[in-house]
Amino acid sequence: NAGVTQTPKFRVLKTGQSMTLLCAQDMNHEYMYWYRQDPGMGLRLIHYSVGEGTTAKGEVPDGYNVSRLKKQNFLLGLESAAPSQTSVYFCASSLGSPGFGQYFGPGTRLTVT
Amino acid sequence: AQTVTQSQPEMSVQEAETVTLSCTYDTSESDYYLFWYKQPPSRQMILVIRQEAYKQQNATENRFSVNFQKAAKSFSLKISDSQLGDAAMYFCAYPGSGNTPLVFGKGTRLSVIA
Repeated sequence: NAGVTQTPKFRVLKTGQSMTLLCAQDMNHEYMYWYRQDPGMGLRLIHYSVGEGTTAKGEVPDGYNVSRLKKQNFLLGLESAAPSQTSVYFCASSLGSPGFGQYFGPGTRLTVT
Repeated sequence: AQTVTQSQPEMSVQEAETVTLSCTYDTSESDYYLFWYKQPPSRQMILVIRQEAYKQQNATENRFSVNFQKAAKSFSLKISDSQLGDAAMYFCAYPGSGNTPLVFGKGTRLSVIA
């Protein structure tokens, strides 16, 4: 049981390039989330999904898109990377409502130059 | 908007001593959950403890316990018999109302002095 996994773990992009971060969970969780973590800011929610085929915006959605085509996967896309998107990105999942507690992946460190 | 406030950016504790990390939150809900997460240098977010607001009893997990004051909207984490492995960032989190995702505080960096 791998829990929540994220691919890749590190990435360096040039401004304007695009990329997709993949999150996978094998716990049959309904809810999945993408957060970004910046120094002194805690974790801020980018987008989330309450089930396969659904997505919703979080606190900081601009510049990102997501898709949840399969229940176990949640993809985060950057269409045109900017230096302001340099951050550590965390994926999380929860069985149902967040009251059950969210389980996190190991994070992806993204640097945009 | 939901807010979670951790007023102590950094704290330190001597090994084997007790330390308390503070958290306050803003809500109009009566039934909700509260969480403390630990983030060690490995970066992995680890769920430490969960409190259900409708329960009077404070949650306890081994050396970790909470002091939950519902009327004051306060949710502090007490770490007893501190160990070197407790050194980490600690985040308080609250899911707000209904099915909204967790809102995190900005964190408290805990150092443990040998």
